[in-house]
Amino acid sequence: DGGITQSPKYLFRKEGQNVTLSCEQNLNHDAMYWYRQDPGQGLRLIYYSQIVNDFQKGDIAEGYSVSREKKESFPLTVTSAQKNPTAFYLCASSIGFRDRDYNEQFFGPGTRLTVL
Amino acid sequence: QKEVEQNSGPLSVPEGAIASLNCTYSDRGSQSFFWYRQYSGKSPELIMFIYSNGDKEDGRFTAQLNKASQYVSLLIRDSQPSDSATYLCAGLGGKLIFGQGTELSVKP
Repeated sequence: DGGITQSPKYLFRKEGQNVTLSCEQNLNHDAMYWYRQDPGQGLRLIYYSQIVNDFQKGDIAEGYSVSREKKESFPLTVTSAQKNPTAFYLCASSIGFRDRDYNEQFFGPGTRLTVL
Repeated sequence: QKEVEQNSGPLSVPEGAIASLNCTYSDRGSQSFFWYRQYSGKSPELIMFIYSNGDKEDGRFTAQLNKASQYVSLLIRDSQPSDSATYLCAGLGGKLIFGQGTELSVKP
């Protein structure tokens, strides 16, 4: 089955800890994205990557870091510098980036992060 | 700041009625628009996209785009309780910019 997987589904973090959220896709998509969703709000872009070994900050990158060493994988680290990390984190991928015909984004099931 | 705004909702309609969801956007450079449906606790799934002025129909769903008015809408005909979800509008102008979503409740 082709798709996007995220793990873990639920994650609990103590204050001061860094945690890493996993995102893997087997759709052969070039572009990958990380979004954050807070209750009653839309999706806000954290980081995106158009191609392997390249990534750009989104609208709310502070306190987060990413890597894109493989086409299939785009892990997100939530660092201790992120002061309010409790949220629903969604990873997505698309064939390409800017072109409208290739920008349909497919989402993973999400990771719900809670700070204790 | 490029923005996409949606009715805050919640929107409640009886089963079988037409549900109308609206979205406005500030970036005139936005070329395409996407409607995603998100069930509570789940990830969004794409239901429609539109990039030309006018209407686009897919089953019970019709997306409407008016670039002059910077307005996008989604009509759901013969609404079913299973349509109860949050609907997210997103505009593409380089990156996808999402609205805050409109919660739809279809009452049996």
